[in-house]
Amino acid sequence: DVKVTQSSRYLVKRTGEKVFLECVQDMDHENMFWYRQDPGLGLRLIYFSYDVKMKEKGDIPEGYSVSREKKERFSLILESASTNQTSMYLCASTLLFGATYNEQFFGPGTRLTVL
Amino acid sequence: QKEVEQNSGPLSVPEGAIASLNCTYSDRVSQSFFWYRQYSGKSPELIMSIYSNGDKEDGRFTAQLNKASQYVSLLIRDSQPSDSATYLCAVRMDSSYKLIFGSGTRLLVRP
Repeated sequence: DVKVTQSSRYLVKRTGEKVFLECVQDMDHENMFWYRQDPGLGLRLIYFSYDVKMKEKGDIPEGYSVSREKKERFSLILESASTNQTSMYLCASTLLFGATYNEQFFGPGTRLTVL
Repeated sequence: QKEVEQNSGPLSVPEGAIASLNCTYSDRVSQSFFWYRQYSGKSPELIMSIYSNGDKEDGRFTAQLNKASQYVSLLIRDSQPSDSATYLCAVRMDSSYKLIFGSGTRLLVRP
């Protein structure tokens, strides 16, 4: 089974802090994604990466950056946390090619609160 | 116009009934379609994927795809209270790596 893990389930930070959210997958997937999920807005893509050191902006990249130094790890960085970044953050991964390459598997999520 | 649309619900069905969840999408060249189940406070869990027109069955779940009408549906037979969750429809459009998610339909199965 695909295993996607995230560094924290719950996180509380103060406005202006730099925040790191870590995601690790153990299935050698090429693609990794960061989403945020808010009530009424659904899942929105922040960034995704299709290879080590490669990244592309999603629909709402403002205020975020990402890092992918190793294939299994994809980090989301909030440079200066703001209260409107309070949300559930979800990491997902998928193969690049193959019969099931579209199927995204999600980590457990990190609920971030910015005070 | 939203690219993937779902009725937010809640859809309430009695235990043992068939629950029918629907999703429409805007892009005619969409390739791949997925249903995720999400329990409150948890992350989405993939339950079905479908790539070609017709029905695909897996246990109590059946996904139905009609590309001409641009809709995909999920039927849950013999609904159980444990099926109560939000069901997310997701679509991969053209050659993108990205999935576009609907906002989800909340299903309540009454004992």
